Amino acid sequence: EAAVTQSPRSKVAVTGGKVTLSCHQTNNHDYMYWYRQDTGHGLRLIHYSYVADSTEKGDIPDGYKASRPSQENFSLILELASLSQTAVYFCASSEHGESAETLYFGSGTRLTVL
Amino acid sequence: AQSVTQPDARVTVSEGASLQLRCKYSYFGTPYLFWYVQYPRQGLQLLLKYYPGDPVVQGVNGFEAEFSKSNSSFHLRKASVHWSDWAVYFCAVNSGYNKLTFGKGTVLLVSP
Repeated sequence: EAAVTQSPRSKVAVTGGKVTLSCHQTNNHDYMYWYRQDTGHGLRLIHYSYVADSTEKGDIPDGYKASRPSQENFSLILELASLSQTAVYFCASSEHGESAETLYFGSGTRLTVL
Repeated sequence: AQSVTQPDARVTVSEGASLQLRCKYSYFGTPYLFWYVQYPRQGLQLLLKYYPGDPVVQGVNGFEAEFSKSNSSFHLRKASVHWSDWAVYFCAVNSGYNKLTFGKGTVLLVSP
């Protein structure tokens, strides 16, 4: 069974502060993704990566940076957190990024920006 | 651009009754379609997926979905709902390089 773990489980941050969300996978998967979930919007893709030391923009990258220092680890960075970034963030991985592959999700990080 | 519409934000079904959750997609070309389920305080898990072939797809826990190109739909069905099916269900379409476009989700409530 695929395993994707996220930390922290929840976080409260102040407006303008820096926030780092971490994701670790033990599946030896090439692709990793960051999604955010907002009530009434489903999940939206922020950034993704298909190889270490490289990241790609998703559909809503503004205000976010990503870092993939190794195959196993993928971080999401909010340099200047804003109220609008309050959401639940999910990390996911997939083996090769092919069209019909399954994504394996972590349990999520609930971020509240005050 | 691709999109997914789940017209029902919330569906309530009696335990033991049948279920259908609706999903309409917009996609140019051959779609790869998915249903994911999110149980309380958990991440999403795959229920089933469609890729070109048999239009009826079987998934886990007795779920199935039917693809219709003419109706641009991928509705999820279950013959007999159990209380443990209480969750949020997401329909998604592959947008390329395994990037998924999700619908807004349907909350399934199961009444005794």
